[in-house]
Amino acid sequence: EDQVTQSPEALRLQEGESSSLNCSYTVSGLRGLFWYRQDPGKGPEFLFTLYSAGEEKEKERLKATLTKKESFLHITAPKPEDSATYLCAVQPPGQNFVFGPGTRLSVLP
Amino acid sequence: EAGVAQSPRYKIIEKRQSVAFWCNPISGHATLYWYQQILGQGPKLLIQFQNNGVVDDSQLPKDRFSAERLKGVDSTLKIQPAKLEDSAVYLCASSFTSGGVPYEQYFGPGTRLTVT
Repeated sequence: EDQVTQSPEALRLQEGESSSLNCSYTVSGLRGLFWYRQDPGKGPEFLFTLYSAGEEKEKERLKATLTKKESFLHITAPKPEDSATYLCAVQPPGQNFVFGPGTRLSVLP
Repeated sequence: EAGVAQSPRYKIIEKRQSVAFWCNPISGHATLYWYQQILGQGPKLLIQFQNNGVVDDSQLPKDRFSAERLKGVDSTLKIQPAKLEDSAVYLCASSFTSGGVPYEQYFGPGTRLTVT
């Protein structure tokens, strides 16, 4: 069965303390991997799409990378407004999107 | 550009009652999704439409859940009768579709359903 896991489950950082979130998948092949941010009481907000191993995307303090079996979301010098749940989703060939459980990030001032 | 609209935002019902949710996707997005998100979990796909046809409803509990997308635009998701375990946020999302390439989905704010 295809699985998507995310680690850590929760992460607390001090403002300015860089770190990385992990998304691992065991799907057979990959059509795309997506990162979303979700604030409490809101729907997920699209961040990045990665299609092939070695691909990288950047947006402000966030950088997403992709290998054959996992993706990392690197957060450089985070600010309190980066606090949210970060979700990854994969789309295996011929199947629909599968979301991971998310990582709850808290950035303390 | 207007985002995905959903209503109502909140709904409280008793078990065995029925409830319906409405979604209006981003203009021009042929693909529409309904997800169920239980607190602390990632969204779980219930049903996917392309235009007004069902593409994937393999995880939709068809004995109590139904969905339709008339005219390939707005969609409604219905639960009848509701159970306690249906308490969750119901998210609607839409995406552009072209040549089988997976495009990002844009989500609405969700409807928080509480079944008592």
